[in-house]
Amino acid sequence: DAKTTQPPSMDCAEGRAANLPCNHSTISGNEYVYWYRQIHSQGPQYIIHGLKNNETNEMASLIITEDRKSSTLILPHATLRDTAVYYCIVRTPLEAAGNKLTFGGGTRVLVKP
Amino acid sequence: KAGVTQTPRYLIKTRGQQVTLSCSPISGHRSVSWYQQTPGQGLQFLFEYFSETQRNKGNFPGRFSGRQFSNSRSEMNVSTLELGDSALYLCASSWAGTLTDTQYFGPGTRLTVL
Repeated sequence: DAKTTQPPSMDCAEGRAANLPCNHSTISGNEYVYWYRQIHSQGPQYIIHGLKNNETNEMASLIITEDRKSSTLILPHATLRDTAVYYCIVRTPLEAAGNKLTFGGGTRVLVKP
Repeated sequence: KAGVTQTPRYLIKTRGQQVTLSCSPISGHRSVSWYQQTPGQGLQFLFEYFSETQRNKGNFPGRFSGRQFSNSRSEMNVSTLELGDSALYLCASSWAGTLTDTQYFGPGTRLTVL
């Protein structure tokens, strides 16, 4: 399985952009990068996913480096409600056949007023 | 469209008992996966069901089992409960479980074993 490395925690000022890095240096060409977040004691919430192109939706932007060894999730204007644990996940074809997500430790993001 | 629902939301059991948790996927979704979340081990995959068949299984003892019904609703059962089974149990549904198929999670069932 392609492993991901994320900083354990980071703070962000309300209203500012939050940039969450993820390293996935062993990612294979057909593996996707997914981001989920989990607000305290709730189920994980899907944010965004991508293969090699940058992606944007109403929640966030995903920037994947050209070599695909790392990515950055960008929350453009962080609010207090964005305080959560953010998980970067690499989905592999074998796992996809069984639809298994492998969660790491994630990054605990604290948005401060 | 209604999201993934899980019942009950909270449950307290004693050691040795057994428990059944229920998950109703998003309408039209055929794949249901179960996860266990504990402070020590984080989020871990239990098993996945697709079209009433278990398609993938995580590294959990046989006390953990599940099933899926023809309407895609799923149940998981834990027999002979141990203190360490106290956890948040999450289910996630997706349409078919392909690589680009997004899983959507329910709110979870918080199980406490005394």
